[in-house]
Amino acid sequence: DTGVSQDPRHKITKRGQNVTFRCDPISEHNRLYWYRQTLGQGPEFLTYFQNEAQLEKSRLLSDRFSAERPKGSFSTLEIQRTEQGDSAMYLCASTPDGLAGPRETQYFGPGTRLLVL
Amino acid sequence: DQQVKQNSPSLSVQEGRISILNCDYTNSMFDYFLWYKKYPAEGPTFLISISSIKDKNEDGRFTVFLNKSAKHLSLHIVPSQPGDSAVYFCAASAKYGGSQGNLIFGKGTKLSVKP
Repeated sequence: DTGVSQDPRHKITKRGQNVTFRCDPISEHNRLYWYRQTLGQGPEFLTYFQNEAQLEKSRLLSDRFSAERPKGSFSTLEIQRTEQGDSAMYLCASTPDGLAGPRETQYFGPGTRLLVL
Repeated sequence: DQQVKQNSPSLSVQEGRISILNCDYTNSMFDYFLWYKKYPAEGPTFLISISSIKDKNEDGRFTVFLNKSAKHLSLHIVPSQPGDSAVYFCAASAKYGGSQGNLIFGKGTKLSVKP
C-alpha cells in the first residue's frame, strides 16, 4: 500500500496526558499537512511542512500542540496536557510537487481518532 | 466566517438518478477546487478537482462545474449508485495570498442513494 498512513488509528487518553500521532506520507510527496475534524465539521487546517520545514501554523494550533518532520519524511503531531476539547479526528495529507502531479491535490490518510476522557 | 459553504446537510437520491451537490465560496483568491468523499471513520478520499481557468471537469460518472462569477461549484454524479452513499466535502485552495495551498473545507453533504 503506497498511500498515506497514520498511527495509531484510535487513541483514548485521560485529560492532562500527552499524546503523539505519526503520519507517513506518500514517498515522493514533499508537502505534508495536518488537519483536525470535529463532528459535523469539515477538516480544519492545523499546520504544513515542505520537506522538513514547518512553513505555516493555524491559529487552531495552540502552544500545547507541536509538530515535527525531522528528516522530511514522516511527521509527528504531539498534544501536551490534553483537554476534552482536543477530542477529534486528526488527519494527515500529502501532496506531490509540481513535477509529479498537480500540487494542490492533497491525499489523506485514514486519520487518528482521539478521545480525551 | 465560513469561506466555503455547503448549505445542504443531506441529500437523498434514488439509484440510477442524478445526484447534484452544491458548494458556494466567498474568497475570490481561491483558484483550485476539489471534492472529497468520506466514509465514517476513514479519511477523505479525493474524487475530482477543477482549476479556476476551467468551468467543467469530467471523470467517469463524476462531473464538477465551476461558475466563477457566482462563486459556485457543483458535483454531478450520474448515475448514482448505493456505494456513492457517503459525506461529500467541497474544498478550495489559493496558490497566493499566504495560504500555502492549505485546503478550506465546507461542512459536508451527506448523500444517501436508495436502491
